[in-house]
Amino acid sequence: EVQLVESGGGLIQPGGSLRLSCAASGFTVSSNYMSWVRQAPGKGLEWVSVIYSGGSTYYADSVKGRFTISRDNSKNTLYLQMNSLRAEDTAVYYCARDSVSGPYWGQGTLVTVSS
Amino acid sequence: NFMLTQPHSVSESPGKTVTISCTGSSGSIASNYVQWYQQRPGSAPTTVIYEDNQRPSGVPDRFSGSIDSSSNSASLTISGLKTEDEADYYCQSYDSSTWVFGGGTKLTVL
Repeated sequence: EVQLVESGGGLIQPGGSLRLSCAASGFTVSSNYMSWVRQAPGKGLEWVSVIYSGGSTYYADSVKGRFTISRDNSKNTLYLQMNSLRAEDTAVYYCARDSVSGPYWGQGTLVTVSS
Repeated sequence: NFMLTQPHSVSESPGKTVTISCTGSSGSIASNYVQWYQQRPGSAPTTVIYEDNQRPSGVPDRFSGSIDSSSNSASLTISGLKTEDEADYYCQSYDSSTWVFGGGTKLTVL
């Protein structure tokens, strides 16, 4: 059974750093396109980043230079390293697998950036 | 930058049919696949349509997707509405290597 479990969210002060994890089971992370999508409180979905199976990475302009997507093949886990966090980064962060039957989403982890 | 525009909200009665539109800002919406996601309050999104008109396993055939090149738009149609269909619906496509989302449509079934 395919499963995605995000973790690592929490309360962080502006300017701080946080690393989100997305543990996968039932498939191999490195063989799939994997994305991070976020949703600010009461707002719509916003794409954040993608890592392709070949290793190429892409970012939304709003996070470019501050966030880094990566994966650990031995742990079958996707990561999002978030630096220089701002209040506007406050959101639920979802990881998603781009599968042959459409994207499959995790349950999300909440990141709150506040002093 | 490519954008997708959805109506803010739609409402319809149980048993009826509703269509939610998703209009592309430029280029041809048919050039890239469109996905549709359902998000119930407090829950993560789930895919109801992928690759314009394909339904994942477990999604009822009351859900269907289509593309209209003449209006540069995609549509999600839900027939035989049930109260459980009440949710936010988002369309999504691509701009180069990035995902682009519509702003979301709140479906009320009353």
